[in-house]
Amino acid sequence: KAGVTQTPRYLIKTRGQQVTLSCSPISGHRSVSWYQQTPGQGLQFLFEYFSETQRNKGNFPGRFSGRQFSNSRSEMNVSTLELGDSALYLCASSPALRTENTEAFFGQGTRLTVV
Amino acid sequence: TQLLEQSPQFLSIQEGENLTVYCNSSSVFSSLQWYRQEPGEGPVLLVTVVTGGEVKKLKRLTFQFGDARKDSSLHITAAQPGDTGLYLCAGARGNKLVFGAGTILRVKS
Repeated sequence: KAGVTQTPRYLIKTRGQQVTLSCSPISGHRSVSWYQQTPGQGLQFLFEYFSETQRNKGNFPGRFSGRQFSNSRSEMNVSTLELGDSALYLCASSPALRTENTEAFFGQGTRLTVV
Repeated sequence: TQLLEQSPQFLSIQEGENLTVYCNSSSVFSSLQWYRQEPGEGPVLLVTVVTGGEVKKLKRLTFQFGDARKDSSLHITAAQPGDTGLYLCAGARGNKLVFGAGTILRVKS
């Protein structure tokens, strides 16, 4: 059974540009969550999608957005990139909408560098 | 300010030594999870603890959830180089996971 697949693995962008990251969850999983990981802040929750609807959102500016398609694949978009957006972006999938004990299966992440 | 404080931040030990990593909070969590993350990879779930006072063992790893469900510890016995990685605790607040900053463990052979 294939794991969570994130593309691309590495990305270099210039300040002011926008970027789209992709996540394919484990087959049969319907919930996709996105996290930003930086050395200073650790893992920070961005948002969760389930059945093509955003169900939860973290404390990130509106420049960060996402969507989920009918096949549960998800994309995350960051507009007007800033240097501080450089991070490892992780996607996690779960069989259903997250509850307290739900296990999250993480992808390898996309390393975004903004120059 | 991190909702979940992990200590120590860094740990470098020799193969065969024992170690304990702590995860503390002033808040109550309905459950707590421990993950290990290796360089270039995403975090992998090790265990979920749910009941206050619960102890779970996974080979050489022992996980404990505090009685008040505000803290947890991970104890590794006879550490091996393969244990090297970033250990993250994550608390469940409703349907959100809140992560600690992590403990970087390096086990030297």
